[in-house]
Amino acid sequence: NAGVTQTPKFRILKIGQSMTLQCTQDMNHNYMYWYRQDPGMGLKLIYYSVGAGITDKGEVPNGYNVSRSTTEDFPLRLELAAPSQTSVYFCAIQGPTEAFFGQGTRLTVV
Amino acid sequence: ILNVEQSPQSLHVQEGDSTNFTCSFPSSNFYALHWYRWETAKSPEALFVMTLNGDEKKKGRISATLNTKEGYSYLYIKGSQPEDSATYLCAPAEGYQKVTFGTGTKLQVIP
Repeated sequence: NAGVTQTPKFRILKIGQSMTLQCTQDMNHNYMYWYRQDPGMGLKLIYYSVGAGITDKGEVPNGYNVSRSTTEDFPLRLELAAPSQTSVYFCAIQGPTEAFFGQGTRLTVV
Repeated sequence: ILNVEQSPQSLHVQEGDSTNFTCSFPSSNFYALHWYRWETAKSPEALFVMTLNGDEKKKGRISATLNTKEGYSYLYIKGSQPEDSATYLCAPAEGYQKVTFGTGTKLQVIP
């Protein structure tokens, strides 16, 4: 039982490149979330999903896309990377009595 | 998006001292409140999930209380140890999906 697994852990992108951050969970949770954490700031919600096939925008969705074709996977896609997307990204599952975060992806856009 | 305030922003205490921090949030449409412990270079670790007014939760030397009517929660650490040094985040939720994180209280326990 691995919980929430994020890949990659680190990535450097050039401006304008694209990439997908992977998030997989083996806890059969319906609710999955993507957050970003900027230095000195709290966690901000990018997108969330309440189940396979259902996604919705959070507080800071611009520049990102998500999909949820299965309960297990919730990838986050960055199109046309910009320096403002330099951040640490966390995938999480949250339920009424438990919550788990992935290890985080440190992304730098240069 | 909820307006969540955590205070103080940072705190230095001596080993053995007890301490507490506050999380304030709008009391309307409350669903649940999560407390997390976040060590540098690691991912947030869930401490408590609280849902009912008057809830009190305890985990070792750490405990939390919840007042949903007035919109606050307190986190207490009894006899702080250096390993308690971390940022403590609260995250109230209006619903399952409407979770807002505070900016956290950064605790440093000095040996």
